[in-house]
Amino acid sequence: DAKTTQPTSMDCAEGRAANLPCNHSTISGNEYVYWYRQIHSQGPQYIIHGLKNNETNEMASLIITEDRKSSTLILPHATLRDTAVYYCIVSRGGAQKLVFGQGTRLTINP
Amino acid sequence: KAGVTQTPRYLIKTRGQQVTLSCSPISGHRSVSWYQQTPGQGLQFLFEYFSETQRNKGNFPGRFSGRQFSNSRSEMNVSTLELGDSALYLCASSPDRPTETQYFGPGTRLLVL
Repeated sequence: DAKTTQPTSMDCAEGRAANLPCNHSTISGNEYVYWYRQIHSQGPQYIIHGLKNNETNEMASLIITEDRKSSTLILPHATLRDTAVYYCIVSRGGAQKLVFGQGTRLTINP
Repeated sequence: KAGVTQTPRYLIKTRGQQVTLSCSPISGHRSVSWYQQTPGQGLQFLFEYFSETQRNKGNFPGRFSGRQFSNSRSEMNVSTLELGDSALYLCASSPDRPTETQYFGPGTRLLVL
């Protein structure tokens, strides 16, 4: 079973920031929070991951709470191409198997 | 650096046949994992190979098997195909260091008739 809980769906207006929450209250000290997204029928695309510090890359920012029990993925200026299913996964990293939940279906509206 | 490649991209088979899917990992990645994605069950882990050895296996019947070659390329095989095996089969490669992540290929869409 997935160790994360995400809303089933979210909407966001184009050009606005999309904030996707994830709860992972049973995360272990050596587990990372990973975010992937899957655009219809394509392979999942890696977005970002973090252990306990906030992280930012060219795609997104990841905010992890101090107790590490939840996190938020932020897409700063959402475009129509960001419409996808977003998966939040906790994993020890490397080649450890990824346990996917149902994810959040994010729809960016014009 | 080239990404993960999978061949073929699409495949149609009939029940009872067998199928072999191929995955070429990102150069330098020694771990290859396979996943099955169906509308009903979502994305599920099949197995993972590292240095030609299966290190981890998901909860799938023995009809699903795989192997890895010395160049890290991997194949998975499904024998005696069933209608329920229709799915998107994804492979992911990783350098297998804790701070690293897995990168997925585009997948092979298998339709069993």
